[in-house]
Amino acid sequence: QVQLQESGPGLVKPSQTLSLTCTVSGGSISTGNYYWSWIRQPAGKGLEWIGRIYTTGSTKYNPSLKSRVTISVDTSKNQFSLKLSSVTAADTAVYYCARDGGAWFNYWGQGTLVTVSS
Amino acid sequence: DIVMTQSPDSLAVSLGERATINCKSSQSVLYSSNNKNYLAWYQQKPGQPPKLLIYWASTRESGVPERFSGSGSGTDFTLTISSLQAEDVAVYYCQQYYNTPMYTFGQGTNLEIK
Repeated sequence: QVQLQESGPGLVKPSQTLSLTCTVSGGSISTGNYYWSWIRQPAGKGLEWIGRIYTTGSTKYNPSLKSRVTISVDTSKNQFSLKLSSVTAADTAVYYCARDGGAWFNYWGQGTLVTVSS
Repeated sequence: DIVMTQSPDSLAVSLGERATINCKSSQSVLYSSNNKNYLAWYQQKPGQPPKLLIYWASTRESGVPERFSGSGSGTDFTLTISSLQAEDVAVYYCQQYYNTPMYTFGQGTNLEIK
């Protein structure tokens, strides 16, 4: 059973860079034809897809965030990571990592709350 | 972007009764070459990540109770819970994957017990 777990600071100052890592267990991140996505959810609001990476390193980002987002993968550690630069209060949200089969998301991490505040 | 709009925003249904949630896409998510609708439904309970219920608009994910069903085609879709159980209280989201990878979700429908 594939499991995903997000980790990283829960508090980031405005204008700084948010950095999160997703650790995949129960299977190799390189196995199968899967992408690995980041999705976020502000409190009491809906879901926003941030971007995804394939194990080759190929990435796609939401155009609304593209200028600030970098997603990378470390297959040796079975992890992929998110960096979001120049954060503001609007970036405060629960951040989820998820397995992306090119369509729906059937495995999700539990989510991690990131608050942007000085 | 394909905009997904759900209705209603909130819904209260009595236990054992039918619950119906609607999802409308701003353009068709039916792919003509395979006649499949590129739409999924999720259930999210408080403090938990979304759980996949249905994909291809009407295919139940493994382990999802039969009382959950999806229907519709093109731009109009429905998630139906045939007999509401207490554990079904949650927020439900639709998601399109027609415009992969620019996935978009509906705003969510909050389902409560009347």
